[in-house]
Amino acid sequence: ETGVTQTPRHLVMGMTNKKSLKCEQHLGHNAMYWYKQSAKKPLELMFVYSLEERVENNSVPSRFSPECPNSSHLFLHLHTLQPEDSALYLCASSQPDRGMHGYTFGSGTRLTVV
Amino acid sequence: GDSVTQMEGPVTLSEEAFLTINCTYTATGYPSLFWYVQYPGEGLQLLLKATKADDKGSNKGFEATYRKETTSFHLEKGSVQVSDSAVYFCALSDNTGGFKTIFGAGTRLFVKA
Repeated sequence: ETGVTQTPRHLVMGMTNKKSLKCEQHLGHNAMYWYKQSAKKPLELMFVYSLEERVENNSVPSRFSPECPNSSHLFLHLHTLQPEDSALYLCASSQPDRGMHGYTFGSGTRLTVV
Repeated sequence: GDSVTQMEGPVTLSEEAFLTINCTYTATGYPSLFWYVQYPGEGLQLLLKATKADDKGSNKGFEATYRKETTSFHLEKGSVQVSDSAVYFCALSDNTGGFKTIFGAGTRLFVKA
């Protein structure tokens, strides 16, 4: 247990489905991040929230929609995904220092789009 | 822009061998540097860090020294174990104001008994 909890651990969804990934931390961190990890590709930063406001949005398709209702919770809402969206989605959090002292990652959600 | 380059894997070693995984970086400011480890089926875990030049980060027998003159942060361990088999990521965090941490591509390590 790292302190950052992601659910579900595995998700299989059809291209017409809508689902949500959840991330929760109780470390007192106030920055939270979504990363995408695909085979043979570098980690891709998707979204960053600081103090519940989105501060980074790296040209992510609109079929991915983040939500940060409070500093402990982060969601990634998914709809009409494509097979190439299959990947490991990682949530991370950091202290209010812009990541100078490192991130705490969750175990990830393994997403398969069929 | 900032970048991190680490040696390609996989690296295959026998138990108790010496490990070096090379990492070099480019950055405009004075970044913090990190090594993360990812075990199979898990997320990344922070292994060690260094926040200024000449700092040495260490944890679980792993060490890395922040070398500004060579822009390097090589990971070393004197005697690897089978349980060290994982993917290792070098990363930097630009401390000039953004929220981006730049990750290297990762180096897979296999340790044989």
